[in-house]
Amino acid sequence: DADVTQTPRNRITKTGKRIMLECSQTKGHDRMYWYRQDPGLGLRLIYYSFDVKDINKGEISDGYSVSRQAQAKFSLSLESAIPNQTALYFCATSDLQVYTQYFGPGTRLTVL
Amino acid sequence: KQEVTQIPAALSVPEGENLVLNCSFTDSAIYNLQWFRQDPGKGLTSLLLIQSSQREQTSGRLNASLDKSSGRSTLYIAASQPGDSATYLCAARSGSARQLTFGSGTQLTVLP
Repeated sequence: DADVTQTPRNRITKTGKRIMLECSQTKGHDRMYWYRQDPGLGLRLIYYSFDVKDINKGEISDGYSVSRQAQAKFSLSLESAIPNQTALYFCATSDLQVYTQYFGPGTRLTVL
Repeated sequence: KQEVTQIPAALSVPEGENLVLNCSFTDSAIYNLQWFRQDPGKGLTSLLLIQSSQREQTSGRLNASLDKSSGRSTLYIAASQPGDSATYLCAARSGSARQLTFGSGTQLTVLP
């Protein structure tokens, strides 16, 4: 079984809809991250969490919110989706010592 | 603000060739630098991580080097194979929050 899972894997929605992307991990890591990937732009950090009580904004947090429900679960919400939020979204975890990041398979989101 | 650049954006080589992928970063005060592989429609797989105190890391046919003073890292792939075809991303960890900043990647195609 995968260490970092994301649901759904694909989602098509309409402008103005609320969307939640979910991430679960079995690696036992405290640190979790949400990134988006756009063609030609690499990955950009949306939000990150160092533990259940710690949430931090990343480079491009506007239009997004997150919830850290437990050590193993970190959700990303789009309160009112817009077309330029169409992208590939990745969840990741990391340990405290080496900081190697482990990525989920990604969620492809299309906002029409 | 850290910026990471990867050149070229795309590279095509015949099978068996040795090749070098380049990564440059603007802020030399990094904690580590990580190389990832991304297959189409898939998540990122960590290949090598070089700590700031190290000069290189090796794993099989892969060798990554780090020169902090010049703001450069290279990923050397020996005896390339068609299965090496993928997008390769580098990411530098820096800043007070120790966040990863990604390059936009090099898309590698190894021709049989």
